[in-house]
Amino acid sequence: DTGVSQNPRHKITKRGQNVTFRCDPISEHNRLYWYRQTLGQGPEFLTYFQNEAQLEKSRLLSDRFSAERPKGSFSTLEIQRTEQGDSAMYLCASSLASRGRFFGQGTRLTVV
Amino acid sequence: KQEVTQIPAALSVPEGENLVLNCSFTDSAIYNLQWFRQDPGKGLTSLLLIQSSQREQTSGRLNASLDKSSGRSTLYIAASQPGDSATYLCAGEGGGSEKLVFGKGTKLTVNP
Repeated sequence: DTGVSQNPRHKITKRGQNVTFRCDPISEHNRLYWYRQTLGQGPEFLTYFQNEAQLEKSRLLSDRFSAERPKGSFSTLEIQRTEQGDSAMYLCASSLASRGRFFGQGTRLTVV
Repeated sequence: KQEVTQIPAALSVPEGENLVLNCSFTDSAIYNLQWFRQDPGKGLTSLLLIQSSQREQTSGRLNASLDKSSGRSTLYIAASQPGDSATYLCAGEGGGSEKLVFGKGTKLTVNP
């Protein structure tokens, strides 16, 4: 399967713990995006990478959130000191230049 | 700031019916308009991408159109099937940002 891959698919964590998600984009795609989706809402943009450079960040991305894309390949999204409000589906997408986005299956985070 | 609205929020139709889903956006400087399908608990599947110079795209039973002057896009589904039941999301980007802005989606149920 050469689509966008996200791991883990599900994560349950206690409030205050740190979590990290991984996204492997489609191999030739130079752009990578993170989104967050809560129940009944459309996905909300978090951040965007072109190759290894993080070029755009949403105000939704508080200082507890950090994303990296070392070497312009896979990306990680870390949430520190998780809160119940962080519970959501975290979606990763990739694209080639300004062509359409291709999304992964998402990581569902539950903070208890 | 780009805002995307989808009407109706939910739609239930009998199998075989042709239907139209509507999407409106506030900023006519939209560059790409993309339609997605989302099954419960899953990621997004790209259906159709209408790029800046295009006015419509077709794939099988699906046809999407884009009218920038009126700020509207429609997704037409012909001869609907129970397997088409899902949430349909439209999203637009433009104005110099890589931020793809989503509507809240239309939940479609096709009854056998």
